[in-house]
Amino acid sequence: ETGVTQTPRHLVMGMTNKKSLKCEQHLGHNAMYWYKQSAKKPLELMFVYNFKEQTENNSVPSRFSPECPNSSHLFLHLHTLQPEDSALYLCASSQEGLVTDTQYFGPGTRLTVL
Amino acid sequence: QKEVEQNSGPLSVPEGAIASLNCTYSDRGSQSFFWYRQYSGKSPELIMFIYSNGDKEDGRFTAQLNKASQYVSLLIRDSQPSDSATYLCAVEDSWGKLQFGAGTQVVVTP
Repeated sequence: ETGVTQTPRHLVMGMTNKKSLKCEQHLGHNAMYWYKQSAKKPLELMFVYNFKEQTENNSVPSRFSPECPNSSHLFLHLHTLQPEDSALYLCASSQEGLVTDTQYFGPGTRLTVL
Repeated sequence: QKEVEQNSGPLSVPEGAIASLNCTYSDRGSQSFFWYRQYSGKSPELIMFIYSNGDKEDGRFTAQLNKASQYVSLLIRDSQPSDSATYLCAVEDSWGKLQFGAGTQVVVTP
């Protein structure tokens, strides 16, 4: 399998549930990202990992908890979410984590919080 | 004020015509500028980037940058139905962060 993959592709959860999103990149990149995309709104960068170290957290609520066990895998753990957290969550990777690096996006997880 | 602004559209373009998309940004210290294409239900993909004032051409796409006026545009020549998508403008701000616009939807009509 090539590129950036994400599972699940669709997720419906209640506000009291705990779930995790998974991202895997097969490009040999060293940086991985989580983005949130809501309808008619700009892509919002949530977290950046470079060589497994978190280098950016854009004031994301603690109900979102990222985990990067290695350069190829990235998780987003979710708990006690709110309905306004419903969105498309996109994972991306790039070679070195520089802004000028091309980012390759996964297909996204469509999250609905009831 | 939004960091990066785009007209949401939809921009309707006849097949074969030129599609012109505009993007303005607020941070005068911005250095790098990117255009992503996102098909409906798909993830964004990079199509162009530009760092210097002026034009940059790649196939049917031309990016134009004017830092003094703080705008970057994307021209799509000989528009095809396959160009129908949402085009996202992204700007590296003076903090080194990538800021995205909300996107312009383009619809190319046969």
